[in-house]
Amino acid sequence: DTEVTQTPKHLVMGMTNKKSLKCEQHMGHRAMYWYKQKAKKPPELMFVYSYEKLSINESVPSRFSPECPNSSLLNLHLHALQPEDSALYLCASSQDRRRPNTGELFFGEGSRLTVL
Amino acid sequence: DAKTTQPPSMDCAEGRAANLPCNHSTISGNEYVYWYRQIHSQGPQYIIHGLKNNETNEMASLIITEDRKSSTLILPHATLRDTAVYYCIARWGNTGKLIFGQGTTLQVKP
Repeated sequence: DTEVTQTPKHLVMGMTNKKSLKCEQHMGHRAMYWYKQKAKKPPELMFVYSYEKLSINESVPSRFSPECPNSSLLNLHLHALQPEDSALYLCASSQDRRRPNTGELFFGEGSRLTVL
Repeated sequence: DAKTTQPPSMDCAEGRAANLPCNHSTISGNEYVYWYRQIHSQGPQYIIHGLKNNETNEMASLIITEDRKSSTLILPHATLRDTAVYYCIARWGNTGKLIFGQGTTLQVKP
């Protein structure tokens, strides 16, 4: 199983809503990532978790709140978003960041978010 | 992380080799060159990576110049399914942040 599964695939929310994006992997990977991708732009790194602890926050606004309940799951909680936050949100996972490996990140298909 | 420079777009005829260049003149000794691609509406896909030596796998070959200031990704027999945005990334070790640049849009034509 080499899949990273993201749900939902599409989400429409208002600026006052609270919603969550979910990401799951069963490859035993201990590092998980959130990226944001606007149309026709490259993916931008948001957060990195290593062994269920937040290790990198790329100065992301607090209206985005990541959570890693266990080594297989990664959530992104959304609250009071703005229309400009509409984007494709990509989750990825990789093996232990502290042990040598290929460094390959496995990406999910993304959750396409529209904020009205 | 070193900045990489790629041409914004390239065309390739189906069945021919696609050679995608990347400049990384400020790359440091600890930084690997990674290549990913993103087919429309899908998540990015790892292709290959290398440090100094040329590398080959089932998908592609990576040629790195001796001074490591540039590299070329080679898709030996491009197919229509290889049409995608190709990203060249200089990454610290194999655990550093994976930061995407603007990439090259490769269009494979029949």
